[in-house]
Amino acid sequence: DVKVTQSSRYLVKRTGEKVFLECVQDMDHENMFWYRQDPGLGLRLIYFSYDVKMKEKGDIPEGYSVSREKKERFSLILESASTNQTSMYLCASRVGKANYGYTFGSGTRLTVV
Amino acid sequence: RKEVEQDPGPFNVPEGATVAFNCTYSNSASQSFFWYRQDCRKEPKLLMSVYSSGNEDGRFTAQLNRASQYISLLIRDSKLSDSATYLCVVNIGRTYKYIFGTGTRLKVLA
Repeated sequence: DVKVTQSSRYLVKRTGEKVFLECVQDMDHENMFWYRQDPGLGLRLIYFSYDVKMKEKGDIPEGYSVSREKKERFSLILESASTNQTSMYLCASRVGKANYGYTFGSGTRLTVV
Repeated sequence: RKEVEQDPGPFNVPEGATVAFNCTYSNSASQSFFWYRQDCRKEPKLLMSVYSSGNEDGRFTAQLNRASQYISLLIRDSKLSDSATYLCVVNIGRTYKYIFGTGTRLKVLA
């Protein structure tokens, strides 16, 4: 089974801190994604990467950046954390072909105080 | 109109019942369709893909209606363990990103 591992299950950070969320997958998937999930809003795409060193903005990229230096690792960076970035963050990976579903990591629940 | 819409529920059904959810999508260029299941405070997990001719996996049947632009999920003989939120997911054309519905909550009651 594909495994997608997110480095932290719960995080509490202060406003203005730079925050790194790490995601690693072990099945050589080309595509990787970062979503946030909020009640009533569902999953919203922040950034995605269709291959190493490639990145594309999703629907809500403001306040975030990403890094994909290696195929297995996709990092989400909150440049200066704000309280409205309190959310569940979900990383996903997928084979780089249409008609394949995502595999998600177990999520990081980030609270910014 | 939202790109992907689902009835949020909750659908409360007794054990053993048959329940169906629909999901409508707005982009006629959509090509890939999925149902995911999400348990409380857990990540979504792929339940099944949805194929043009319809497909079945045990007690679960998924169907696609391109003319009316909706997909459906039918669960037969509901179990307590089926209680979860069911997310409809649609891929637009040949793009890399999927659009998620906000989910339909199912509660199966003893």
